[in-house]
Parts: sequence; structure tokens; C-alpha cells
Amino acid sequence: AQSVTQLGSHVSVSEGALVLLRCNYSSSVPPYLFWYVQYPNQGLQLLLKYTTGATLVKGINGFEAEFKKSETSFHLTKPSAHMSDAAEYFCAVSKAAGNKLTFGGGTRVLVKP
Amino acid sequence: GAGVSQSPSNKVTEKGKDVELRCDPISGHTALYWYRQSLGQGLEFLIYFQGNSAPDKSGLPSDRFSAERTGGSVSTLTIQRTQQEDSAVYLCASSLADLSFEQYFGPGTRLTVT
Repeated sequence: AQSVTQLGSHVSVSEGALVLLRCNYSSSVPPYLFWYVQYPNQGLQLLLKYTTGATLVKGINGFEAEFKKSETSFHLTKPSAHMSDAAEYFCAVSKAAGNKLTFGGGTRVLVKP
Repeated sequence: GAGVSQSPSNKVTEKGKDVELRCDPISGHTALYWYRQSLGQGLEFLIYFQGNSAPDKSGLPSDRFSAERTGGSVSTLTIQRTQQEDSAVYLCASSLADLSFEQYFGPGTRLTVT
């Protein structure tokens, strides 16, 4: 069975500061990893995904994540937080294309001016 | 051309009543997923359709929950004899095919059981 752990249910950052959201996974097969963002009263939007190839993945809105197999991690970063980054972020894992997503518990990001 | 749509956006029902939630996937998307988002359980997978077939129903929490998909398009999630623990946001997602990793999510239906 697959599982995803996100450290920290809430993160507060100052505008312009680094955003770092942690995600660790367990998977019996090579994982496919995702980060989604959810704005209030909206559905989930894909930020970025790792399937194969380069382990540093760049996504939308200046976010990137690095797949580290040895650490079973897929942490999400953004060098400089913007007020519009305030949202909830979910890390997810899948076994294959077309497979269901297994989500972490989510991390709510608050950006302080 | 539009994204995934879901209706109703909000549903309040009395305990014991049946409810139907609808999902319209992106046109041409053959795969469709239902997830549930609740405070206590987070985001959970419910069921997956490929075309009109459901090869993975492993997330349906009880036999009160059922879903169908017709014409390879619209899907309906039905909850019979609703309970308060069914209160959640029900999210639908669709993707292009088994070869696609990207699932596109709808805005969800917020279900409140009183």
C-alpha cells in the first residue's frame, strides 16, 4: 500500500521568504509523485508532477520539487512567497498512469505581509 | 471546452435521505474519478471509471455508496440513507486516458447531512 506524509498541517511564511513544504512517501513500486494546490472553495489544481527522468521538477507559479529516492521525499519549494500563494497544498502518489491518487493530509500556507 | 463541472455545488439533506451527485468530465476524457474530502479523513479515493466500467471501487466506504457512468461521460454518485459522517466535499476528476497522469478536478459538491 502507498502512503504520503506531509509534515506540518499549517505553515506561516513572510511575503518574499522561502516556502518549503515537506512530503515523504512510501511505495512498494516506483512512485509517481504530484503536488496539488487548492484555493478556498475550489477544486485541486496540479502544480507539478514527477513521473520519470529529471528528479528536479519545475511547475507553475514558480514552484519546484525534487524527487529524492534515497530519502523517499518530494519536498516542494518556492524561493519567494507571494500573497497569492496562500492556499492548501497536497502531495500525492500514484502507482501508474490512470491509477488513483493517494493524498497526504495537506499543508495550509499562510503568507504574512 | 470547459473544465470538470459538478452539481449541485451545495447540498443539505436530512439524515436517512438519498442523494445524487453529478459529475460532467472534460469532453473526451475516458477516465473519471470520485474522491471525498472531509475534515477527519482528508482526501480519499472512492471509485475510478474507465469508460463506463469501474475497475476500481475499492474506496467506496459502504454499500450505501454507488456510482455509475453512462455514455462514457456523465457520472452520478449516489448515497443512500445518508448519515452525518457522509458530510464532506465530494470531488470529481477526469483524465484523458490510462496513459495520462494528470487528473483535472472539478470544484466539488459540499454535502451536509443534518
